[in-house]
Amino acid sequence: AQSVTQPDIHITVSEGASLELRCNYSYGATPYLFWYVQSPGQGLQLLLKYFSGDTLVQGIKGFEAEFKRSQSSFNLRKPSVHWSDAAEYFCAVGARGTGFQKLVFGTGTRLLVSP
Amino acid sequence: DSGVTQTPKHLITATGQRVTLRCSPRSGDLSVYWYQQSLDQGLQFLIQYYNGEERAKGNILERFSAQQFPDLHSELNLSSLELGDSALYFCASSTSAGTGNTGELFFGEGSRLTVL
Repeated sequence: AQSVTQPDIHITVSEGASLELRCNYSYGATPYLFWYVQSPGQGLQLLLKYFSGDTLVQGIKGFEAEFKRSQSSFNLRKPSVHWSDAAEYFCAVGARGTGFQKLVFGTGTRLLVSP
Repeated sequence: DSGVTQTPKHLITATGQRVTLRCSPRSGDLSVYWYQQSLDQGLQFLIQYYNGEERAKGNILERFSAQQFPDLHSELNLSSLELGDSALYFCASSTSAGTGNTGELFFGEGSRLTVL
């Protein structure tokens, strides 16, 4: 079964600084990988996803993520953080051939943005 | 706005009671997923329905049940409630259940259940 680890529970970044949120997955084959963002009182919104092909994936709101098979990682990055990026970020992994049933989510990383 | 509607947004009830959470998926989406989000367990997959049929089951307790109706809305029934059932329950929908699925789940804003 697949699993996801987000090692950082909280991260604080200054506004304008760069951001990297870590995600490591465990799965026997090439997985489907996702990053979702949850703002307070809101549901989860998809930022980006990786299925195949180019390992650098561009998403919404200026986010990107890079799939590194050798490291089993799918880290999320943004070159310049805005105060509105403060939210909780979830990495998720889906198994191929299951129709994305049982998407497994990490425990999330809460991003705080300081002025 | 994801297009997924969940009601009620907040619910407070007592232990031992039964509640029903309702979800209307995005127009055209055939798959509905239920997730439970709690502080200690994180975001846990409960169950998935596709076009009225159960497709996958996750960490759903026997006290919980769900169904998807012909109009594709879904209900999650929670019975014999315990304090530990207090959580945010999310519904998500997607276009299909098979390999043609793009993988994007569209989440509602959740139903926050508090059991006292």
